[in-house]
Amino acid sequence: DGGITQSPKYLFRKEGQNVTLSCEQNLNHDAMYWYRQDPGQGLRLIYYSQIVNDFQKGDIAEGYSVSREKKESFPLTVTSAQKNPTAFYLCASSDRVNTEAFFGQGTRLTVV
Amino acid sequence: AQKITQTQPGMFVQEKEAVTLDCTYDTSDPSYGLFWYKQPSSGEMIFLIYQGSYDQQNATEGRYSLNFQKARKSANLVISASQLGDSAMYFCAMREGLNAARQLTFGSGTQLTVLP
Repeated sequence: DGGITQSPKYLFRKEGQNVTLSCEQNLNHDAMYWYRQDPGQGLRLIYYSQIVNDFQKGDIAEGYSVSREKKESFPLTVTSAQKNPTAFYLCASSDRVNTEAFFGQGTRLTVV
Repeated sequence: AQKITQTQPGMFVQEKEAVTLDCTYDTSDPSYGLFWYKQPSSGEMIFLIYQGSYDQQNATEGRYSLNFQKARKSANLVISASQLGDSAMYFCAMREGLNAARQLTFGSGTQLTVLP
């Protein structure tokens, strides 16, 4: 089945550590996105990529990094520079034909 | 300035009744798309309905319809015959421009509770 897979579903991180969230899609979509969601709030864009080996900062990119070495993969690294990383992270993808973006199941990151 | 505004943090509706969730948007781009997503407590984002800025008719998908008033820049979601399973967070979103690979901008959401 085609879709977007995020892993892990839950992630715990100690302060000062970097962690990487995985996002893989088999929809052959060109564009991929990372959003952050805080409790009771909307989604805010962290980074997005419209093509392999290219990506742009979103509204809240500070403390995060991404790579896009393969079309199907768009991992997000939460660095120690991110002061408040506890949140729900959603990965999405879209193509130039369909209008809607498809989302993964999300990763819930908690700093302990 | 907020590009997507949802002014109803929470809404209640009786089962089998209709409910309208409000959304206003702000853009200077003549080409844009408006989306509604549903987010149950599990966290997944479920696409519900889409309206393009050049579409002449309001979009409908089953029990969902979009009341698109372009001059007022509003794109309200109407859910008819509410069901208990409709209880969830609902987000309005916008994509500016014709390139479908551009990012979505989301509103703050409306928590809908359907009462038995």
